Amino acid sequence: AQSVTQLDSQVPVFEEAPVELRCNYSSSVSVYLFWYVQYPNQGLQLLLKYLSGSTLVKGINGFEAEFNKSQTSFHLRKPSVHISDTAEYFCAVSGYYTGRRALTFGSGTRLQVQP
Amino acid sequence: EADIYQTPRYLVIGTGKKITLECSQTMGHDKMYWYQQDPGMELHLIHYSYGVNSTEKGDLSSESTVSRIRTEHFPLTLESARPSHTSQYLCASSESMANTEAFFGQGTRLTVV
Repeated sequence: AQSVTQLDSQVPVFEEAPVELRCNYSSSVSVYLFWYVQYPNQGLQLLLKYLSGSTLVKGINGFEAEFNKSQTSFHLRKPSVHISDTAEYFCAVSGYYTGRRALTFGSGTRLQVQP
Repeated sequence: EADIYQTPRYLVIGTGKKITLECSQTMGHDKMYWYQQDPGMELHLIHYSYGVNSTEKGDLSSESTVSRIRTEHFPLTLESARPSHTSQYLCASSESMANTEAFFGQGTRLTVV
């Protein structure tokens, strides 16, 4: 079985400050990891993904994430946030041999960027 | 930009009515999914399909049903809507491999009164 834990339900931050959204996963097999963003009244949009190779993954809108296998983490970071980054962020995992061939999502983190 | 469409975007309907939420994608993806999203944001998989004539229940038990007669179309039906069905429903699709991302529609926000 696989699961995803997003440790913070809400993260308030001031504009131009750095931010880290935390994600831990558990799986008995090799996994693929994703971060999605959801703006109000919209569907989910892919920010970035880790499949293999370099553990530092760069995505859209200046976001990046680091895969840490020993800590089973995939934290999302941005060095300087903008008001427009205010949204919900979801971490997700999928596994090739899990028998559950769909994404498993965390409960989401609400990023609130304040001026 | 992802080519996956959901209609309607918003629906308010009375208890006991039958409803069908539409989902179509033009990317030729084999896999399609329905997620239910609670007001508190969490997404729960309620149905998925690996291809035509293949549908399975997800993690969250749902009274809805789905069909997959065509690759591009994956409608969700509630035979008799109840207030407990009030939620946001998100449709998604992906290629056949587990290491590809899912593309999401904009969602249908259903309110049953």
